[in-house]
Amino acid sequence: DGGITQSPKYLFRKEGQNVTLSCEQNLNHDAMYWYRQDPGQGLRLIYYSQIVNDFQKGDIAEGYSVSREKKESFPLTVTSAQKNPTAFYLCASSMGLAGSYEQYFGPGTRLTVT
Amino acid sequence: QQPVQSPQAVILREGEDAVINCSSSKALYSVHWYRQKHGEAPVFLMILLKGGEQKGHEKISASFNEKKQQSSLYLTASQLSYSGTYFCGTEEWSGAGSYQLTFGKGTKLSVIP
Repeated sequence: DGGITQSPKYLFRKEGQNVTLSCEQNLNHDAMYWYRQDPGQGLRLIYYSQIVNDFQKGDIAEGYSVSREKKESFPLTVTSAQKNPTAFYLCASSMGLAGSYEQYFGPGTRLTVT
Repeated sequence: QQPVQSPQAVILREGEDAVINCSSSKALYSVHWYRQKHGEAPVFLMILLKGGEQKGHEKISASFNEKKQQSSLYLTASQLSYSGTYFCGTEEWSGAGSYQLTFGKGTKLSVIP
């Protein structure tokens, strides 16, 4: 079945460490997104990518980095520069960039940094 | 800028109707609606586009008032499965689409027997 996978589901890290969250899709979608979700705050866009080797900053990109070396994969690195990294992270994809195209979300990764 | 959703929370009995509103201060190209159950991924419900085109599910309807920059989601004859948090995502219009969605804080809907 086609879909988006994120791994791991739960991730624990010590403060000061970088951590990479995985996102893979087999929907043949061009666009991919990373969102951060905090309680009561909705979803906030971190980065998005329309095509391989191209990505754009969203509203809260500081302290995060991404790569898009393959169409299917869009990993997110949470760096030690991110001041408050504990959150629920959601990856999504769509046929094209936002607007006419629905977004399909992965199951999410809950990151806890202590 | 983040759209404003209202109400923040609502409790319904099975069979009752509900309306969730989404309001923006910016001109919009599209409005998306998603539902998220606790601990799960958001699931697509509806897209409304500037110009009136809609894409979505048969049992859920929505409206998009471009002049008022508002959208409303209508849930009729609610079922227990409708429970969850509903998010609107708006794409601003500036001569073209902005290519990113900005989501509201969500409306928590609880349907009780």
